[in-house]
Amino acid sequence: DTGVSQDPRHKITKRGQNVTFRCDPISEHNRLYWYRQTLGQGPEFLTYFQNEAQLEKSRLLSDRFSAERPKGSFSTLEIQRTEQGDSAMYLCASSLDYGDYGYTFGSGTRLTVV
Amino acid sequence: GEDVEQSLFLSVREGDSSVINCTYTDSSSTYLYWYKQEPGAGLQLLTYIFSNMDMKQDQRLTVLLNKKDKHLSLRIADTQTGDSAIYFCADPRAGNMLTFGGGTRLMVKP
Repeated sequence: DTGVSQDPRHKITKRGQNVTFRCDPISEHNRLYWYRQTLGQGPEFLTYFQNEAQLEKSRLLSDRFSAERPKGSFSTLEIQRTEQGDSAMYLCASSLDYGDYGYTFGSGTRLTVV
Repeated sequence: GEDVEQSLFLSVREGDSSVINCTYTDSSSTYLYWYKQEPGAGLQLLTYIFSNMDMKQDQRLTVLLNKKDKHLSLRIADTQTGDSAIYFCADPRAGNMLTFGGGTRLMVKP
């Protein structure tokens, strides 16, 4: 297993366009998390999945954001009608059940909205 | 992470010890974590400490936890230039969702 993979690494999009990011977690990890990190800040929680069920969503996740994990394996995060304020690093992480010794993070997808 | 606070910046000379501090508000966490982030990269789990421990040592890293004061620190002995990075402390909440501090940028001068 090569860890948590995220694709693409970088995405530049025009304001108003839709974008979709993909995350492939460590195969035996049943929990998957999305975080957003803006420049100079710590990561902020967006949402998490236990297997295919989306169990928690942050208030940061506006209705333009949607995340799925259809088969309990990879996950996608879609942002519709992107705004300049969406520019950030989007980080995915995975873990075993609660009590695991921390997550494993991917390298992130850096989104720039122009 | 308004509930987890860190100082912004620390500069040390190579070979010195670095101490990065963190305060948190949630006292129910089972673990507390330290992550390292190098430029353009994701976060790497550096170490963690159980909440029933006061200290944990792992090679050059020493974690101190003061539960009464809700204070966590990370000491890096014999700091090297390769230790230059941003260090985040993180406090898990229900569902194991991590709340991160704003990060401390460590600069190591040769």
